[in-house]
Amino acid sequence: GQQVMQIPQYQHVQEGEDFTTYCNSSTTLSNIQWYKQRPGGHPVFLIQLVKSGEVKKQKRLTFQFGEAKKNSSLHITATQTTDVGTYFCAVTGGFKTIFGAGTRLFVKA
Amino acid sequence: NAGVTQTPKFQVLKTGQSMTLQCAQDMNHEYMSWYRQDPGMGLRLIHYSVGAGITDQGEVPNGYNVSRSTTEDFPLRLLSAAPSQTSVYFCASSEGQAPYYNSPLHFGNGTRLTVT
Repeated sequence: GQQVMQIPQYQHVQEGEDFTTYCNSSTTLSNIQWYKQRPGGHPVFLIQLVKSGEVKKQKRLTFQFGEAKKNSSLHITATQTTDVGTYFCAVTGGFKTIFGAGTRLFVKA
Repeated sequence: NAGVTQTPKFQVLKTGQSMTLQCAQDMNHEYMSWYRQDPGMGLRLIHYSVGAGITDQGEVPNGYNVSRSTTEDFPLRLLSAAPSQTSVYFCASSEGQAPYYNSPLHFGNGTRLTVT
């Protein structure tokens, strides 16, 4: 089945610094989704990318889908304490949505 | 709309006990699924359903049963609880549009299960 590797596992940043998490697959993906989970909460859908080379922005968040559709990234510009949590990428195929292990973001004020 | 509702929020079981985790959604979603979340391992798919009467196994189905008698409900049964099943369990639903079933998932608040 499809698998995605997500790095890094953890990231500590100072408030105002940028943050990036990466998602990589050995196979071509039909799409990729990104979710955010606040500490103690449940995952919340952020965005879905489907086109090769696609770039989408949500305020300070920038999502990219690689040209070969085998990797994706989430970049946060000028992190804030409200950005803390775990960011997951997820891929769908065969009726299943499979999640990466997640990147946990810590932001120090 | 309540969205996806899971009960109970917390549960402690002894090894060998059985129980059912409840999940209900009021969005008329065809697709429902169960995940477990363990530290450092992300969310792992246990079982899923593409509609009433249809269920199938995910990545880690052993020790769990599901059924889907209605569109709204998708209970998860632990047959004989083991300490390895200590985890946080999330139910999720989506519009599940065929043929790709790649609609965004809506998650419940989770059930924290401890097996001693």
